[in-house]
Amino acid sequence: DTEVTQTPKHLVMGMTNKKSLKCEQHMGHRAMYWYKQKAKKPPELMFVYSYEKLSINESVPSRFSPECPNSSLLNLHLHALQPEDSALYLCASSHDWTSTDTQYFGPGTRLTVL
Amino acid sequence: GQQLNQSPQSMFIQEGEDVSMNCTSSSIFNTWLWYKQDPGEGPVLLIALYKAGELTSNGRLTAQFGITRKDSFLNISASIPSDVGIYFCAGQNNNNDMRFGAGTRLTVKP
Repeated sequence: DTEVTQTPKHLVMGMTNKKSLKCEQHMGHRAMYWYKQKAKKPPELMFVYSYEKLSINESVPSRFSPECPNSSLLNLHLHALQPEDSALYLCASSHDWTSTDTQYFGPGTRLTVL
Repeated sequence: GQQLNQSPQSMFIQEGEDVSMNCTSSSIFNTWLWYKQDPGEGPVLLIALYKAGELTSNGRLTAQFGITRKDSFLNISASIPSDVGIYFCAGQNNNNDMRFGAGTRLTVKP
């Protein structure tokens, strides 16, 4: 099983809303990632969690707040977003945070901020 | 930072034709990866390369890790309509920081 699941698949929210994106994997992977992807662009790394601890924050605005409640789950809490935050948000996981370890991506959440 | 140059940006080919795309970098990588992304979906790993000079096949796909560790290519033989999508190369360095190329958008005409 190499599946990473993400919910919801689509999300529309206003700039004053609070919402959360969820990601789950049951492959025993200890590294999990959030990426943001704009149309016709490659994914851009936002956060990396390794063993449930935040290892990398790529200078992401505080209106994006990640959370890793356990080794299988990764959340991204959203608050006071801007229309330019509309994008495909991808979750990925890998066995460990090493150079030879392959990342597996989920299907993404298509976020629209009105 | 390390930038990946992926080419071509887009390709329009006839079904049955072979396809070739490549990625180059100004810096070396320890691992090269090729992903395919369909519209509205996440990238799916096609081939992973771990050693300089390595040539790996996955069905009709063949990819090579350049000997200088600064480039990689992906070939698709006898293309079919379901090959349509965006192909991304990615390079990884020691801290698992993965850099993507800009993508090659492939269109296959039946």
